[in-house]
Amino acid sequence: DTAVSQTPKYLVTQMGNDKSIKCEQNLGHDTMYWYKQDSKKFLKIMFSYNNKELIINETVPNRFSPKSPDKAHLNLHINSLELGDSAVYFCASSQLAGGGTDTQYFGPGTRLTVL
Amino acid sequence: AQSVTQLDSHVSVSEGTPVLLRCNYSSSYSPSLFWYVQHPNKGLQLLLKYTSAATLVKGINGFEAEFKKSETSFHLTKPSAHMSDAAEYFCVVSGSGTYKYIFGTGTRLKVLA
Repeated sequence: DTAVSQTPKYLVTQMGNDKSIKCEQNLGHDTMYWYKQDSKKFLKIMFSYNNKELIINETVPNRFSPKSPDKAHLNLHINSLELGDSAVYFCASSQLAGGGTDTQYFGPGTRLTVL
Repeated sequence: AQSVTQLDSHVSVSEGTPVLLRCNYSSSYSPSLFWYVQHPNKGLQLLLKYTSAATLVKGINGFEAEFKKSETSFHLTKPSAHMSDAAEYFCVVSGSGTYKYIFGTGTRLKVLA
């Protein structure tokens, strides 16, 4: 059983389009995250939700909008895609709320390519 | 404020020789520290973590790391490298009361036959 899954694995699209990436975790965790990994492999957090409530919202263009329909799902919608949005996007989850000591479990990533 | 510095962007070792990947951290809080591994085109897998218990932490696949507060370091070691260890390794710092992981810039480990 996959603990944290993401769909799609690959996403190729044109500039200006709108796209969504979905994430699901079956670990029963309370907190979920979106990270962006750039071409130099640098990972940076974008958003975090705890029990469907937004708790981290980093400096991310408002073209990016996370949505958490329930605590097992966290989707990422991106409007008006730009070339610079090309990256690998990782979803993660962790058990505790506010627990910086807690282990985060990562999904396999979604490689977004904007042409 | 918290930060983490991985001192080497690339490390090459021969198969069967020791591995040392260096990480220094800065934290206002008592930190939690993690090492993750990312194999090519894969997600991140936790190797080990330090959360103020034993300073020598053992992880999966023969890796271990030692927390040294006086040196603000958390270096990752393995006695004998295997070809399957070739991957990108990330040192991560977090702190009690924060939700955030702060990632280092990664170290690419190459294992030579």
